[in-house]
Amino acid sequence: SAVISQKPSRDICQRGTSLTIQCQVDSQVTMMFWYRQQPGQSLTLIATANQGSEATYESGFVIDKFPISRPNLTFSTLTVSNMSPEDSSIYLCSVDQGAMDEQFFGPGTRLTVL
Amino acid sequence: AQKITQTQPGMFVQEKEAVTLDCTYDTSDPSYGLFWYKQPSSGEMIFLIYQGSYDQQNATEGRYSLNFQKARKSANLVISASQLGDSAMYFCAMREDNAGNMLTFGGGTRLMVKP
Repeated sequence: SAVISQKPSRDICQRGTSLTIQCQVDSQVTMMFWYRQQPGQSLTLIATANQGSEATYESGFVIDKFPISRPNLTFSTLTVSNMSPEDSSIYLCSVDQGAMDEQFFGPGTRLTVL
Repeated sequence: AQKITQTQPGMFVQEKEAVTLDCTYDTSDPSYGLFWYKQPSSGEMIFLIYQGSYDQQNATEGRYSLNFQKARKSANLVISASQLGDSAMYFCAMREDNAGNMLTFGGGTRLMVKP
């Protein structure tokens, strides 16, 4: 299975600032996904990031708030812009990998906005 | 309508006993996959088991097995011989092959293993 790392693992930020989360995979993958998990909730897909094209955002998520980059097949970033306390969540990236298109997740970034 | 439903917000099981975590799903896509993940308090999502809609046999991975009942649209996770380390949140998820490779998650079940 793919080995996925995320940076930072956690952060505490002030409202109004922005944070960029990095996701690095040890092998080339076509599709990368960004999910958000608000406290006590399940995971919700933010967007799908393919290399060389604009990310595809799910309903309720917009590019101005969550800009995504995908410069190559092993790396992606998600920026949480103009943060508010409601953005406090775990942000996870995932990739398709394996014979059955299993999806594996990075360790997550735990964000707290004060 | 919810695509993935996990009706048990929390469950207790005695150590060394088996436990079943329920998951029902809703899709009109004939080709789909069902996943189970474990999320300990650290927050990471650990892949446990996968079942494809065309698989004839129930998936098994060590102490984990998936009770797949296609007609009833259920994909329950069975954990045998529970261990204290199994205490965690468990999420059922579905990928519909005609809707991209994104996963849709259920609300999760918190499993607590009693010594």
